[in-house]
Amino acid sequence: TQLLEQSPQFLSIQEGENLTVYCNSSSVFSSLQWYRQEPGEGPVLLVTVVTGGEVKKLKRLTFQFGDARKDSSLHITAAQPGDTGLYLCAAGGATNKLIFGTGTLLAVQP
Amino acid sequence: DTEVTQTPKHLVMGMTNKKSLKCEQHMGHRAMYWYKQKAKKPPELMFVYSYEKLSINESVPSRFSPECPNSSLLNLHLHALQPEDSALYLCASSHARQGLSGANVLTFGAGSRLTVL
Repeated sequence: TQLLEQSPQFLSIQEGENLTVYCNSSSVFSSLQWYRQEPGEGPVLLVTVVTGGEVKKLKRLTFQFGDARKDSSLHITAAQPGDTGLYLCAAGGATNKLIFGTGTLLAVQP
Repeated sequence: DTEVTQTPKHLVMGMTNKKSLKCEQHMGHRAMYWYKQKAKKPPELMFVYSYEKLSINESVPSRFSPECPNSSLLNLHLHALQPEDSALYLCASSHARQGLSGANVLTFGAGSRLTVL
């Protein structure tokens, strides 16, 4: 079974602070996705990373795929209350079998 | 249309009831999914349909019965559920064939929140 371990599990910070969420596995993946899920909604894709060592920026969010394609990180600069939500990394196993990481619940206090 | 629509948004049922959750998409996606999600936990895969055929069943109890009547619709029939089945049930869809960049991107509905009394 492929496991995607995320850390930290919970994070509560003040507006304006920076944070990093990690997604680690012992398996190699061809790609990895990051989703954010807000309360009362389904997960929404933020980014897909494909190449080992790749860095992608989405406004204040920076995503990195590890060189060995076994891990990834999400860094948020100057967090805003609107960043609050459940952050999920996800990777594919067998065809059409997308497995989610253990999740990081982020609360940004105004 | 880039949405996945799930109905109902909320459902309360007794352990002897029979009910159904419905999901609809018009993005031309030929893979559709059911996930179960407990509070503050990641979604857990239940079923995958590819080209209207069941391709993955993650050892889900038979009290959950999926159905894919056509390429736009996905149902989840519920019968004799237990209180521990109370959860958010998420439907998602994607292209059926894996892209060059690996796993397909899923588009999720907002979910149906189920409470079993």
